[in-house]
Amino acid sequence: AQKVTQAQTEISVVEKEDVTLDCVYETRDTTYYLFWYKQPPSGELVFLIRRNSFDEQNEISGRYSWNFQKSTSSFNFTITASQVVDSAVYFCALSEAPPRGGSQGNLIFGKGTKLSVKP
Amino acid sequence: KAGVTQTPRYLIKTRGQQVTLSCSPISGHRSVSWYQQTPGQGLQFLFEYFSETQRNKGNFPGRFSGRQFSNSRSEMNVSTLELGDSALYLCASSPLSGAGHNEQFFGPGTRLTVL
Repeated sequence: AQKVTQAQTEISVVEKEDVTLDCVYETRDTTYYLFWYKQPPSGELVFLIRRNSFDEQNEISGRYSWNFQKSTSSFNFTITASQVVDSAVYFCALSEAPPRGGSQGNLIFGKGTKLSVKP
Repeated sequence: KAGVTQTPRYLIKTRGQQVTLSCSPISGHRSVSWYQQTPGQGLQFLFEYFSETQRNKGNFPGRFSGRQFSNSRSEMNVSTLELGDSALYLCASSPLSGAGHNEQFFGPGTRLTVL
C-alpha cells in the first residue's frame, strides 16, 4: 500500500537556521510522483515542487532544496537561512497511479510537519 | 489568473442536516479534486471529477457525493451530517493532461463545523 511518513511532527528553529524536513514514502509503483506543499495559517495548500520517480536530481530553488533518494525512499526538503515567513505546516505527498485514463491520480499525504521559525 | 475559489469559507451545521460546498477551478483547468482535512486523519482524498464524470474515488461513505458542471465548477454534498464530518474541505484543480500527476492547485477551503 502507498504511504507517506513524516516522522517530525513539529520543529522549532530560530531565524537564519537551516532546517530539514524528512519524508519517507512507500509504493509498489515504478512510476510515481512526489510533491511538497506548504500550508500557512490561512489554510490554503501552496504547491512547492513535483518530482517524478525517474528524476533523482536534487533541486534548488532559492532557499529551498530537495533531496530525492530512491534507494532510501526519501524525499527530504531543506530550508536554508529560515525566515519567520517560513512558519507553516509542510506536507509531503505521493501521487498514486491513476486507476484509468482521464484521472490525475489522487495525492496521498503525510501527516505534515509544523515548522515554527522564531525571530 | 484567479486561483481556486471555494464558497462558503465557513459553515456551521447540526447533526443530521446536509450541506453543499462549491468550488470554482482555475480558468482552463478541467480536473477538480476534493480532500478532507481533519486533525486526526490528516488530508484524505474524497473524489476527482473531469468532464462532468467522477474519475476516482477515495474511501468515504456514500453520504459524501459530488458533481461537476459543464463549466468545470464542482460541488460536493454531505448528507446526514455527523460530528466527525467537521473538517476543512479543500478543493484542488489541475490542468489535466495525458501524463496525469500534474500539480494540483488548492483553494482556501471550507471550514465545516457540525454541532
